[in-house]
This record gives sequence, C-alpha cells and structure tokens, in this order.
Amino acid sequence: AQSVSQHNHHVILSEAASLELGCNYSYGGTVNLFWYVQYPGQHLQLLLKYFSGDPLVKGIKGFEAEFIKSKFSFNLRKPSVQWSDTAEYFCAVLDTGRRALTFGSGTRLQVQP
Amino acid sequence: DAGITQSPRHKVTETGTPVTLRCHQTENHRYMYWYRQDPGHGLRLIHYSYGVKDTDKGEVSDGYSVSRSKTEDFLLTLESATSSQTSVYFCAISDRGEGNQPQHFGDGTRLSIL
Repeated sequence: AQSVSQHNHHVILSEAASLELGCNYSYGGTVNLFWYVQYPGQHLQLLLKYFSGDPLVKGIKGFEAEFIKSKFSFNLRKPSVQWSDTAEYFCAVLDTGRRALTFGSGTRLQVQP
Repeated sequence: DAGITQSPRHKVTETGTPVTLRCHQTENHRYMYWYRQDPGHGLRLIHYSYGVKDTDKGEVSDGYSVSRSKTEDFLLTLESATSSQTSVYFCAISDRGEGNQPQHFGDGTRLSIL
C-alpha cells in the first residue's frame, strides 16, 4: 500500500519567512501528487498537483512544489509567508487502483505577524 | 466551489445508535468518497464509489457501510456508533478519479459520539 510521510507536524514562522514543508511517498511507480490546504474550520482546498511533465509545479497563492523522483519527495515551498497562510497542509498521493487519495498526517503552519 | 453538500454539519449522538451521513453533489461526477479526519492521522479513506451501486472499502471501513442509489447521493451509515467513530467526516467527488482531475471536498460533518 502507498504511504505518505510529512515529518514536520507543527511549524511556526514569522511573516516574510520562507517556507518548505517536507513530503515523502512510498510508491515507486507513476505517481500523482497533491498538496491541499485546510484553513481553520474549512474544507480542504487544492493548492497544486503533479501528474506529469515539469517537476516544478506552481499552484495558487504563490506556492510551488518540486517532484524529485530519486528522493520520493514532493516538498511544498513559498518564498515569503503571510499571516493568512496559517492553516494545515496535507500532502497526498493518488491510489490509481481505487482512484482515491492517501494523505499524510498533515503539517500545521502558524505564521506570526 | 464544487457543488457538494454534506448533511448534517454537526451531530451529537449516543453510543449504540445508528447514524447516517449524506453527501449530495450537483456535478454529476462518477467517483464519490468518504474520508474521516482525526488529529495526527490526516484523512483516511472509509469507502468509495465508482458509480451507482458500485462501492468498495477503504482503509478504515470497519463499522461503516455505504450506499449509492443515485449518482448525486452517497450515504455513509454507522450501524451502531462507537466513541472511536467520533471524528470529522468529509465527502469528496471526482469526475474520472484521475491525477489531472483532483478531488473536491465538502465542508465536513462533525460527529460526536458520547
């Protein structure tokens, strides 16, 4: 079975700091990878996705992620965070058999003004 | 936002009672999913559906059943609720379930079992 690891459980940054959240997956074949964000009290929203092509993926709100196949990684980055980026971030991989997502445990990001 | 409505949004019930959660979509998507969200676990797949009357189990399906009699509705039933099923439940939909068509999520149902 596929698995996703997010090693940073809680990250605290000051506004304007750079962000990198780690995501590692276990599956060795073709992968479809996602980052979702969940603002307090809200549902999950898609930040960005990778399914083929350029391994550097740009998403909404200035986020980007790089797919590095040799490292089984799909880390999320943002050069300068804002207070409004305070949220929980989930990395996920698509189980192509079930066509369902396998999620990591999430990273709670707290941005201090 | 995708047309997904979950009901109820909040429910408190007692151990041993049956509970049914409803997910309704207006997008005519083929795939529907139920996940539960618990601290430290992210979201975990309970059951999913790939068409009317076509359902299958996810990784945490014990104690849950589902039904899909119409494209737009996917019901999750806890036959006899237990305290371990206290969680936030999210429904998601996808048109073809493929990587270039990501899932869209509903607003969630917060279920407390006392």
